[in-house]
Amino acid sequence: AQSVSQHNHHVILSEAASLELGCNYSYGGTVNLFWYVQYPGQHLQLLLKYFSGDPLVKGIKGFEAEFIKSKFSFNLRKPSVQWSDTAEYFCAVNAAGSQGNLIFGKGTKLSVKP
Amino acid sequence: DAGVTQSPTHLIKTRGQQVTLRCSPKSGHDTVSWYQQALGQGPQFIFQYYEEEERQRGNFPDRFSGHQFPNYSSELNVNALLLGDSALYLCASLPSGSYYEQYFGPGTRLTVT
Repeated sequence: AQSVSQHNHHVILSEAASLELGCNYSYGGTVNLFWYVQYPGQHLQLLLKYFSGDPLVKGIKGFEAEFIKSKFSFNLRKPSVQWSDTAEYFCAVNAAGSQGNLIFGKGTKLSVKP
Repeated sequence: DAGVTQSPTHLIKTRGQQVTLRCSPKSGHDTVSWYQQALGQGPQFIFQYYEEEERQRGNFPDRFSGHQFPNYSSELNVNALLLGDSALYLCASLPSGSYYEQYFGPGTRLTVT
């Protein structure tokens, strides 16, 4: 069965620190990969997505992610976090041709101290 | 341009009751998916509707049913509520021909007592 694992449940960083959130998926075929963010009191928003091509994708607000096919990973990174990045981050995958059925990880809560 | 809207925002029901949640997709979107997000978990796919028919279904019992109307809005119905049905129910929409990027609504928080 397809699954997504996010390694960290809760990450606490100080402003300006670098961020890397891990995501691994289990699926043998071609996949599309996503990172969604949920700010406090707001709905899920798409941060970035990977369908094909350059494995390093850039999203909104300075976030980027790298797809490493051999490791089934899609880690999220940001060089310098801000207090406003405090949110919950979800990695998600769907199989190519799955008509949109997203499989989410359990999420990582990021707290950034000012 | 209105995004995905859901109603009601919050709902409290008793075990055994039935509930209906509503979703209006983003303008130009004709496909609607429903997800359940339990506390501390990621969203789990319930089902997807397109052209007023259920196109795909996740691992949820038949107590969960849905409907899509000609204007693309959708309802999620849950019968015989259990305590474990307490969760945030999310609706997501996407345009036909796009299997990838889904836009989420704010959700309906259902509490079953």
